[in-house]
Amino acid sequence: LAKTTQPISMDSYEGQEVNITCSHNNIATNDYITWYQQFPSQGPRFIIQGYKTKVTNEVASLFIPADRKSSTLSLPRVSLSDTAVYYCLVLPTFNAGNMLTFGGGTRLMVKP
Amino acid sequence: GAVVSQHPSWVICKSGTSVKIECRSLDFQATTMFWYRQFPKQSLMLMATSNEGSKATYEQGVEKDKFLINHASLTLSTLTVTSAHPEDSSFYICSARDRTGFIRNEQFFGPGTRLTVL
Repeated sequence: LAKTTQPISMDSYEGQEVNITCSHNNIATNDYITWYQQFPSQGPRFIIQGYKTKVTNEVASLFIPADRKSSTLSLPRVSLSDTAVYYCLVLPTFNAGNMLTFGGGTRLMVKP
Repeated sequence: GAVVSQHPSWVICKSGTSVKIECRSLDFQATTMFWYRQFPKQSLMLMATSNEGSKATYEQGVEKDKFLINHASLTLSTLTVTSAHPEDSSFYICSARDRTGFIRNEQFFGPGTRLTVL
């Protein structure tokens, strides 16, 4: 499984756009990039997944450059409720084990 | 859709007792469920992979005789912490993979169970 590196923590203010970058230098051809969000004392929640270029949903956007060695999760106009830990994972498709390996994640603190 | 529940949400027990935690997939069938443990301010650590109808696969360093896992149906997996001790106090989270979600490899997580052993 590809190892991921992301900042330990980030601070932001309400209304700002937040970009969290994740490095995954040894990503494989059949790997997808997936982001999860975890609020305190709750299980992680799937946010977004992508393979290349750009993916957007109602929650976030995911930007993946051509070499796929990094990815950026973009949260538009954050609010206090976006304070959480965000995990970047690189997952292979057609993996019989399908286990998830969580790195340290990025602790986002949104301030008023 | 894709809701996973856990019961109980929190439990306090005395040292030496056993505690059972249930994980249910409410609106889908899960051939595989996973159990994680999370200590304060730390990331999730996979404990074991549970496949319906077969024995669980434990990660290195996780005692299978202490953390008993049963996955008797496609919607229910249980984790029993036997002879719990204070160092077992943690946040236990399960996840389930929709048997139809093979390509996306997406897992759905339960809300977690906070175990405190006195």
